[in-house]
Amino acid sequence: TQLLEQSPQFLSIQEGENLTVYCNSSSVFSSLQWYRQEPGEGPVLLVTVVTGGEVKKLKRLTFQFGDARKDSSLHITAAQPGDTGLYLCAGIVYKLSFGAGTTVTVRA
Amino acid sequence: DVKVTQSSRYLVKRTGEKVFLECVQDMDHENMFWYRQDPGLGLRLIYFSYDVKMKEKGDIPEGYSVSREKKERFSLILESASTNQTSMYLCASSLMTKLFFGSGTQLSVL
Repeated sequence: TQLLEQSPQFLSIQEGENLTVYCNSSSVFSSLQWYRQEPGEGPVLLVTVVTGGEVKKLKRLTFQFGDARKDSSLHITAAQPGDTGLYLCAGIVYKLSFGAGTTVTVRA
Repeated sequence: DVKVTQSSRYLVKRTGEKVFLECVQDMDHENMFWYRQDPGLGLRLIYFSYDVKMKEKGDIPEGYSVSREKKERFSLILESASTNQTSMYLCASSLMTKLFFGSGTQLSVL
């Protein structure tokens, strides 16, 4: 059983559309991270959120940490083919645990 | 620039072989990790090390061992490879809670 559940598992959209990826758990996290993994590469850290209700923006990516620090979302505005990849959330309770990931494909 | 280098991108081994996966980091990080990544299961921690010659079991250590003789190098050893160890193996080092990953080794055990 995954400590962190990510949804959807797969997402395929057209360039210019928006998308949201979710990361949920029944556990409270001291912090939560989002990584992006491109084909043939290792994951790369995008952001760390620490405070409940926190919102962070990274260009067209918006990350939100739930008020209760049990969930998070990643929203991409006007997606581009370069956003294609596997998006992983990872949360720290007493150790870092990863979700299974959401595979995002942005079609040109 | 930060760099974690894994010695092989692809590796094909036979059942029963002893397999060594090598990882080197150039950031002087104390902590190093080995994960395996399987579709639908995410990243699962095999072993980690927080200092030279120190090692700790992760969530799925069975069938694996590790070696850390130097700070920059962390090796994963499959004593007798089995087909269920076919997977993508990722090495990482960390600064605080930020992980830096290598590009991975896709291991196939036939």
